[in-house]
Amino acid sequence: GENVEQHPSTLSVQEGDSAVIKCTYSDSASNYFPWYKQELGKRPQLIIDIRSNVGEKKDQRIAVTLNKTAKHFSLHITETQPEDSAVYFCAASNSNTGKLIFGQGTTLQVKP
Amino acid sequence: NAGVTQTPKFQVLKTGQSMTLQCAQDMNHEYMSWYRQDPGMGLRLIHYSVGAGITDQGEVPNGYNVSRSTTEDFPLRLLSAAPSQTSVYFCASSSGARGEKLFFGSGTQLSVL
Repeated sequence: GENVEQHPSTLSVQEGDSAVIKCTYSDSASNYFPWYKQELGKRPQLIIDIRSNVGEKKDQRIAVTLNKTAKHFSLHITETQPEDSAVYFCAASNSNTGKLIFGQGTTLQVKP
Repeated sequence: NAGVTQTPKFQVLKTGQSMTLQCAQDMNHEYMSWYRQDPGMGLRLIHYSVGAGITDQGEVPNGYNVSRSTTEDFPLRLLSAAPSQTSVYFCASSSGARGEKLFFGSGTQLSVL
């Protein structure tokens, strides 16, 4: 079945450094790839998403890249700030089935 | 607009008991889904619905039932609770046809003793 693998499980960076989280997916028919941020004790919230007809998308300090051939996509956060500390989830869905599958999550810690 | 409303926020059950987790949205979203969140395992899809009258199984459907009789409501039923169902449950909805840009509820923390 569909599977999404996310790495690393934990990531610690110094404030101002960049952070990169990587995901791979198994279903070649996947065509929608969102990223969610979950702060401690709160609900997940969408931060950025990308569709399969786009290779890269940026929103201020956040960017996502997609390599459909290799079936992997990545989240890039530049100039990290302490408020970026949270758990980040990638996900992939196939518009034919509507099934949105999440990765296992990455706990990002930004040290001041 | 209240968004996605989940009730209850906390629940403790004994093994074998049944209960229903409620989920309602007031955004006229066609797509709704249920996830469970366990440490180190991310968000795992239990069931989802692309519209009223339509439901489908996710990654971990066993032990759970759903129905979608209206656009607004998507209840999750535990028929006979087991300790393995101790988890945080999130309901989510989307204006997209296939789960794009999900809005999550605040979650239900369920403990099964």
